[in-house]
Amino acid sequence: AQSVAQPEDQVNVAEGNPLTVKCTYSVSGNPYLFWYVQYPNRGLQFLLKYITGDNLVKGSYGFEAEFNKSQTSFHLKKPSALVSDSALYFCAVIPYSGAGSYQLTFGKGTKLSVIP
Amino acid sequence: DTGVSQDPRHKITKRGQNVTFRCDPISEHNRLYWYRQTLGQGPEFLTYFQNEAQLEKSRLLSDRFSAERPKGSFSTLEIQRTEQGDSAMYLCASSPEAYNSPLHFGNGTRLTVT
Repeated sequence: AQSVAQPEDQVNVAEGNPLTVKCTYSVSGNPYLFWYVQYPNRGLQFLLKYITGDNLVKGSYGFEAEFNKSQTSFHLKKPSALVSDSALYFCAVIPYSGAGSYQLTFGKGTKLSVIP
Repeated sequence: DTGVSQDPRHKITKRGQNVTFRCDPISEHNRLYWYRQTLGQGPEFLTYFQNEAQLEKSRLLSDRFSAERPKGSFSTLEIQRTEQGDSAMYLCASSPEAYNSPLHFGNGTRLTVT
């Protein structure tokens, strides 16, 4: 069974500084990886995904993520944080195979606080 | 794209009562998912439909939970004999056919069982 670990419950960063939200995964075979963001009392919004190809994936709102197969990691990054980036961020994984479960497995989430 | 719509936004019920939630997916999406999210946790998969067929159901899901998607459009999730442990946010999502398509989530139904 697949799993996702987000080792930090909370990340604090000053506005304008780079941010990183960490994610590691475990899955049989190759993974499809996703990042979602959740604002208070709202559903999740898709940010970006890794399917195959270039290890650096660019997504919405200036976010990017780097896939590292040897470290089984998919860390979310942004060069310059905004106060409006403050939210809950979720990493998710599904196996590449496609023949079987469609269960997207989420991590517990990381609360990002950008300090003005 | 009008987004995924869920109704109601909030539901407060007494233990032992039955509740039903509705989800209207994005119209051209044939896949529909239900997830449950409790405080401090990520969404947990409950069940998945492709068109009207329920293809997958979490092994952790109690028999008190049932979901339908009768015409392959909207879906309902019913919880019978609610328990306090059922208190959570229930999220619906939809996606197009492709396996790696991102899920589009609704804003959820927050259930409180007293």
